[in-house]
Amino acid sequence: DSGVTQTPKHLITATGQRVTLRCSPRSGDLSVYWYQQSLDQGLQFLIQYYNGEERAKGNILERFSAQQFPDLHSELNLSSLELGDSALYFCASSVDSSGVYQEQFFGPGTRLTVL
Amino acid sequence: ILNVEQSPQSLHVQEGDSTNFTCSFPSSNFYALHWYRWETAKSPEALFVMTLNGDEKKKGRISATLNTKEGYSYLYIKGSQPEDSATYLCAFRRGGADGLTFGKGTHLIIQP
Repeated sequence: DSGVTQTPKHLITATGQRVTLRCSPRSGDLSVYWYQQSLDQGLQFLIQYYNGEERAKGNILERFSAQQFPDLHSELNLSSLELGDSALYFCASSVDSSGVYQEQFFGPGTRLTVL
Repeated sequence: ILNVEQSPQSLHVQEGDSTNFTCSFPSSNFYALHWYRWETAKSPEALFVMTLNGDEKKKGRISATLNTKEGYSYLYIKGSQPEDSATYLCAFRRGGADGLTFGKGTHLIIQP
């Protein structure tokens, strides 16, 4: 158990809908990262927040947004869902702001299925 | 677009044998190289974070080396055990604010 929690574990929804994925980092970690794992793709970095502020941005679609709250939990909002958004979404956390020098601790993931 | 290549894609190894695999990454603007182990039905777990050319890290039977000038890292597993079966991911971080770029992994199967 990494200490990172994610809810829900599974989510099934329809095209065009909007969903929110939630992540709580390990105690003491200020950085939260979101990743997407699709079929035949490696882990794709989406976005990083550090202590409430956006720190780094990857291949995140405009239909997706994220935020980190004062208690450091983070939410990833996915809207106007398409079939291709079906994937495993991971949240990870680390103690540092750069995401470079410290290992990241991954949560169990949320499996999103868009029908 | 950053290319992080891992080879081989998959590997079958007899229990007790040693093995190694490769991660290749761009050699310019290097910041760090991460290795993670990802077991089926679990989440990726960090093995090593390497930042300096020539770095060597070890954790039990697993070790890694780093060559930033030529852009590669090797992961070695000595005396493979069934519990080593997993996908091993490397992830490269260059300068800038764009996060880790992961390879597609090497899927290792240890055969008893």
